[in-house]
Amino acid sequence: GAGVSQSPSNKVTEKGKDVELRCDPISGHTALYWYRQSLGQGLEFLIYFQGNSAPDKSGLPSDRFSAERTGGSVSTLTIQRTQQEDSAVYLCASSHRVPGANVLTFGAGSRLTVL
Amino acid sequence: AQRVTQPEKLLSVFKGAPVELKCNYSYSGSPELFWYVQYSRQRLQLLLRHISRESIKGFTADLNKGETSFHLKKPFAQEEDSAMYYCARSTSGTYKYIFGTGTRLKVLA
Repeated sequence: GAGVSQSPSNKVTEKGKDVELRCDPISGHTALYWYRQSLGQGLEFLIYFQGNSAPDKSGLPSDRFSAERTGGSVSTLTIQRTQQEDSAVYLCASSHRVPGANVLTFGAGSRLTVL
Repeated sequence: AQRVTQPEKLLSVFKGAPVELKCNYSYSGSPELFWYVQYSRQRLQLLLRHISRESIKGFTADLNKGETSFHLKKPFAQEEDSAMYYCARSTSGTYKYIFGTGTRLKVLA
């Protein structure tokens, strides 16, 4: 596609429910990133994919968070048993790595509200 | 561990005044430094990168390896510069990409 697409754009859920957030990166971009953006916390790194593998999952806040990427394209971030502190904007970005200039293209984000 | 520090959460300046947004990074490997900007109701986007040594919208940033800094500067701030600014680093040879906590710039009329 022309840009990075994320869905849903807004999600309101009840505490304890599971949610899935989807990211459709720019076609051909090999790297895909997930970040969490919340007030006062800036952009918190969650996980990145190189192709379908995730070399670094160190940013995932707890084992309730998981992510996968299939076919080197679409990625899904899953949050199980959501808590109120999970409320944030979840941003996805992708890049076609150019040596010395790895530039990220961001999606519009998925705003998650946990009641 | 890679770290990016932006000490100021909010910076307010008057239109026409110089502005400097600070960024310091932890030294490891061969860092690649970037500034990203998010205007109100817009997506986060690249502003500039150290390797290009370019000036975008009047902004420049110089990589100072001795001080491990990559401060963003503009000699004369404009109201349309009001936005959230994030400093970021990547490391050559990896895909990992870390952002600072961001600085909100408000340019007052």
